[in-house]
Parts: sequence; C-alpha cells; structure tokens
Amino acid sequence: DIQMTQSPSSLSASVGDRVTITCRASQGISDYLAWYQQKPGKVPKLLIYAASTSQSGVPSRFSGSGSGTDFTLTISSLQPEDVATYYCQKYNSAPFTFGPGTKVDIK
Amino acid sequence: EVQLLESGGGLVQPGESLRLSCAASGFTFSSYAMTWVRQAPGKGLEWVSSISGGGGNTYFADSVKGRFTISRDNSKNTLFLQMNSLRAEDTAVYYCAKDLHPTAWGQGSLVTVSS
Repeated sequence: DIQMTQSPSSLSASVGDRVTITCRASQGISDYLAWYQQKPGKVPKLLIYAASTSQSGVPSRFSGSGSGTDFTLTISSLQPEDVATYYCQKYNSAPFTFGPGTKVDIK
Repeated sequence: EVQLLESGGGLVQPGESLRLSCAASGFTFSSYAMTWVRQAPGKGLEWVSSISGGGGNTYFADSVKGRFTISRDNSKNTLFLQMNSLRAEDTAVYYCAKDLHPTAWGQGSLVTVSS
C-alpha cells in the first residue's frame, strides 16, 4: 500500500506569515490528493481536491500544488482562525489513506 | 444543503457488534460514493471504508477487513457500517462522509469498546 507522510508534524507561526505544509506519497498518485482542515473539537472540512482545486467557499489564502508524489498546502497569510490540524488524503485507489496531520498554531 | 446524520454508536464490550447508520439528505445519494472515517481520541483521521454509489464496490482498511461491512440503501438514502468482533482499538468517533475525498461530513458517532 502507498504510505502518506506529512511534514512538519507541527508548526508555530506568526499572524501574516506564509505557511507551507508538505505531503508525500510513497508512490505516484497523479493529482488524486485532497487537503482537509480540522479545527479543535470540530468536524474536518475539505479545503483542496485534485491537488490544487479549491473547494467552494475556501478562503483564497489557501492553495495547493504538486503531482505525483510531492504535494504542498500553502497558507499565504496565516490568520488566527487557521489554527487547526491539516491532513492530506490520497484517493486514486483504495486504501484512501490520510496523512498523519500537521498541527498549526499561532506564535 | 447536504446533511449527514449518524446514529447507532455507544458502549460495547470487546467481541461484540454494533451497526452504525447514516441518514443522508440534500443531494442525490445514489450518485455518490460514501465513506466512513474514524478518529480515535486525540489521534488523527483514519479512513475505514468506502462504497460506490450503486453499492457494487466496497473498500476496507486492513485494520477492519473481515470484521466490518459497509452497505447502503439507496431507496432510503442511508449508509450503514456493520462492525463485528469489536476491539478496544476500534474506539473512536466514526464519521459518515460524502464521496471518496469527503466533501461533507456528519457530526460523528462515538463508539467505545471497553469491558
């Protein structure tokens, strides 16, 4: 099975900072990659699918890129409401594995 | 508006069974694959199982294969997860979700496996 890794596992940044989270697949998955945001105590929310397509209603400061095995989620200007754990997920074929998550908080 | 409402969670002893249901509304249920995702206390998201829109294709995580069954009743817009031979490590909030890369999630149903 394809393994999904994320780095870093956590980060602390200042409001307004540019934040980048990396997701890596152990084998190529084309662009079948989604990103989710889960705020503390809340249900996960889809941010990005097809590696770079933003879900409707997602703020424009969130963007995704990559293809194959290496993907990134970028928050162009970190806001206090972005404190959350971010997960990637592969969905090219089963198992539709999630990455271990990256916890983002404000410095 | 898409709504997903899980039910059926609770406290069971190891080895017992439980059936989760998810009532869906606000979209053409039979046109979408559906997914169960779980989250153990303080842990990350774990994909559990998915089923195609027509129900003919099912997929399971290795951790639940042979113990869990996923099914759907498209006439009643309802998704099911039959969980047998439950273990302590199955303790989690179980989310019902729309699509293989979930675009909508239920509020979750807590399953606790403990003696």
